[in-house]
Amino acid sequence: EAEVAQSPRYKITEKSQAVAFWCDPISGHATLYWYRQILGQGPELLVQFQDESVVDDSQLPKDRFSAERLKGVDSTLKIQPAELGDSAMYLCASSIRARYGYTFGSGTRLTVV
Amino acid sequence: EDQVTQSPEALRLQEGESSSLNCSYTVSGLRGLFWYRQDPGKGPEFLFTLYSAGEEKEKERLKATLTKKESFLHITAPKPEDSATYLCAVQAWTLQGGSEKLVFGKGTKLTVNP
Repeated sequence: EAEVAQSPRYKITEKSQAVAFWCDPISGHATLYWYRQILGQGPELLVQFQDESVVDDSQLPKDRFSAERLKGVDSTLKIQPAELGDSAMYLCASSIRARYGYTFGSGTRLTVV
Repeated sequence: EDQVTQSPEALRLQEGESSSLNCSYTVSGLRGLFWYRQDPGKGPEFLFTLYSAGEEKEKERLKATLTKKESFLHITAPKPEDSATYLCAVQAWTLQGGSEKLVFGKGTKLTVNP
């Protein structure tokens, strides 16, 4: 069964350092999403890509977060500088069309100390 | 503002004890309602999509229903392996680019004791 690949699975970083997460969506899925999930909460959308273009980044803290999807395949989400409040699970998802549901990856658990 | 409220926050059942989880929503332009299952430390796993009031879908011991204001996830004769957090999400149009993002509730943590 096709999967969304994410790495790393866990990341511990110090406050003010830079950190990056990588996502490889299911082959053929044009839409890619980055969500953030704080413990005990539901996932919240950070950014949505359609191919290589950003469709929605209204909830992305652009002063410290950036995302790219060069060539419309895999994607990288970066945080610089990291803050204590960024500790969360970062989930990547992809879909052929959102109407048919997303497939999520296993996520990256970020701890900022 | 689109909102999704799930209740209860946590639910403990004995094996075989049927129950229901609730998801109420307010959204403009509902495109679909989704149910996901999430195990600890993992990403959400897709269960169902419901598109219109009156629609029902089933998978093993789970049955999802939809009205104009809420959705229910019925669990019949649950087993310990059904223990997980169940997330509800609504899909709505956004003003920015017409993206079809999912707005999630906080989830219901289900524990089924043997």
